[in-house]
Amino acid sequence: DAMVIQNPRYQVTQFGKPVTLSCSQTLNHNVMYWYQQKSSQAPKLLFHYYDKDFNNEADTPDNFQSRRPNTSFCFLDIRSPGLGDAAMYLCATKAVASQTQYFGPGTRLLVL
Amino acid sequence: TQLLEQSPQFLSIQEGENLTVYCNSSSVFSSLQWYRQEPGEGPVLLVTVVTGGEVKKLKRLTFQFGDARKDSSLHITAAQPGDTGLYLCAYGENTDKLIFGTGTRLQVFP
Repeated sequence: DAMVIQNPRYQVTQFGKPVTLSCSQTLNHNVMYWYQQKSSQAPKLLFHYYDKDFNNEADTPDNFQSRRPNTSFCFLDIRSPGLGDAAMYLCATKAVASQTQYFGPGTRLLVL
Repeated sequence: TQLLEQSPQFLSIQEGENLTVYCNSSSVFSSLQWYRQEPGEGPVLLVTVVTGGEVKKLKRLTFQFGDARKDSSLHITAAQPGDTGLYLCAYGENTDKLIFGTGTRLQVFP
């Protein structure tokens, strides 16, 4: 089935140790998103790609970076994770002509 | 960015009860979406409402878009434990971005 896949589902890292989360999609959608979600809150958009065009949200910390090497894959790099970065990270995709976003299952990040 | 306020923020009920979740704004929207996010998973689109006054049904879930297209409601009849999750209304901004409501966390006990 076409889907949005996130690996790993759970990631434990140490304070200050760089970590990379990955997302892949088989939907061939042009737009890909990374969200941060904390407990019982709505997802917060970090950035998104329209094809290779990168769009950063104004309040996304510099600590968060992203790469999209091709249509199918997108990565979230956290350069120096702090305790406050512990959260669920969601990847989503969207076709250009649609407003429906398709979400992956998320990666839960724990920072020790 | 227009604000979407959802109420209640938390809801804890017994299986078989009915409930309504509200999504309100002072702005007019061309459409609103409802997502459900089950524990440990990503949000999944339930429905999109487009026309003022529109009512859509999805099994035991009934969605309504306000006549003025400023608000929406989700009514669940005879809630089941499988309905447990975070319910989010959302609208598309500039086509590529979704603005989510504040969310309603529902817990249905057997």
